[in-house]
Amino acid sequence: GQNIDQPTEMTATEGAIVQINCTYQTSGFNGLFWYQQHAGEAPTFLSYNVLDGLEEKGRFSSFLSRSKGYSYLLLKELQMKDSASYLCAVTDSNYQLIWGAGTKLIIKP
Amino acid sequence: IAGITQAPTSQILAAGRRMTLRCTQDMRHNAMYWYRQDLGLGLRLIHYSNTAGTTGKGEVPDGYSVSRANTDDFPLTLASAVPSQTSVYFCASSLDSSYNEQFFGPGTRLTVL
Repeated sequence: GQNIDQPTEMTATEGAIVQINCTYQTSGFNGLFWYQQHAGEAPTFLSYNVLDGLEEKGRFSSFLSRSKGYSYLLLKELQMKDSASYLCAVTDSNYQLIWGAGTKLIIKP
Repeated sequence: IAGITQAPTSQILAAGRRMTLRCTQDMRHNAMYWYRQDLGLGLRLIHYSNTAGTTGKGEVPDGYSVSRANTDDFPLTLASAVPSQTSVYFCASSLDSSYNEQFFGPGTRLTVL
């Protein structure tokens, strides 16, 4: 079956760095997405990785290793507004998005 | 309209009633999707449409139907609502089905009693 695993919840301190991991087992691979979802709101796009390596976008970076079925989202200089759920999603061989359950990130002052 | 809209924002529905959730996008995206999101679970795909005139079943299609008469609209119908369909429903769209950066509507919170 297809499966995406990510931690349920993480806590970090304002100004610090946090890494959210995602491992996946899917039928085929056509890219990996990270989305941010604030409580009560819709998911919004953060990043897309299709090749191995690190993609940097401001305070957020996303890494992919296709051979290991592994990705992480790195958030630097954490701000209180970064408190949200972070969703990992993989595009399978049929171009369907398979979603993880999300990681709830709690930022403490 | 800018982006993707959904209506209603929230609804309380008696079991057995019929309900249609509306979704409209103005981005001229070919692909559209309906998801449900329940606490502790990831987004689960109900139905999708790769282009106007075509639809497909997702992971949890039972009890739901969709239509795609034109590019902009993608309504989701619950023919006879049951309490297990209590959830938050998100409509999403993407430029096409082969690149899945999806844009989401604000969601509809549905409670079936």
